[in-house]
Amino acid sequence: AQSVTQLDSHVSVSEGTPVLLRCNYSSSYSPSLFWYVQHPNKGLQLLLKYTSAATLVKGINGFEAEFKKSETSFHLTKPSAHMSDAAEYFCVVTPIGGSYIPTFGRGTSLIVHP
Amino acid sequence: NAGVTQTPKFQVLKTGQSMTLQCAQDMNHEYMSWYRQDPGMGLRLIHYSVGAGITDQGEVPNGYNVSRSTTEDFPLRLLSAAPSQTSVYFCASGGRAPGELFFGEGSRLTVL
Repeated sequence: AQSVTQLDSHVSVSEGTPVLLRCNYSSSYSPSLFWYVQHPNKGLQLLLKYTSAATLVKGINGFEAEFKKSETSFHLTKPSAHMSDAAEYFCVVTPIGGSYIPTFGRGTSLIVHP
Repeated sequence: NAGVTQTPKFQVLKTGQSMTLQCAQDMNHEYMSWYRQDPGMGLRLIHYSVGAGITDQGEVPNGYNVSRSTTEDFPLRLLSAAPSQTSVYFCASGGRAPGELFFGEGSRLTVL
């Protein structure tokens, strides 16, 4: 069994300040972990992925995430928020082995103030 | 470079009507799936397929039907629409990397 918990439904930051979106997971198998971004009225787009290589993963648009097995976390960060980062972000876990089916978190809405 | 194409983008139905949401992908992906997205609920899996001729139920399959006769196409059928099926529907396909999905732009369905 697997599950994903996104700890904040909304995160509000000012432009130019750091972003932290938190994600905890559980999985019976070694996990692959992903972050997706969804801009308003659009489909989801892959932001970055962890698949058992380097634990610090860099994605598009300056985002990165660190896989911490001991904490079962995969938090998404960005040093400096931009207005265009305002979107919904989803953390996803898929087991390596077992069922192929991804499990989605409920999403975190990132609000960026000027 | 089409990726995943969903049609229609918008649809209004009356209760009891049936319709099919179309999904096509040109990436030769084995895995295809349908999700519905509702406010505060994230994405919920309706049905999925791991290859032509193979389909299975997800978290919320009731009221929906799917088939997978080709690798490219994965239509979602609403048999008798209900207001509870008002939602945004996303089709997604996946390649070799488990969990790496490519999404369509979505289909917004309203059932009156």
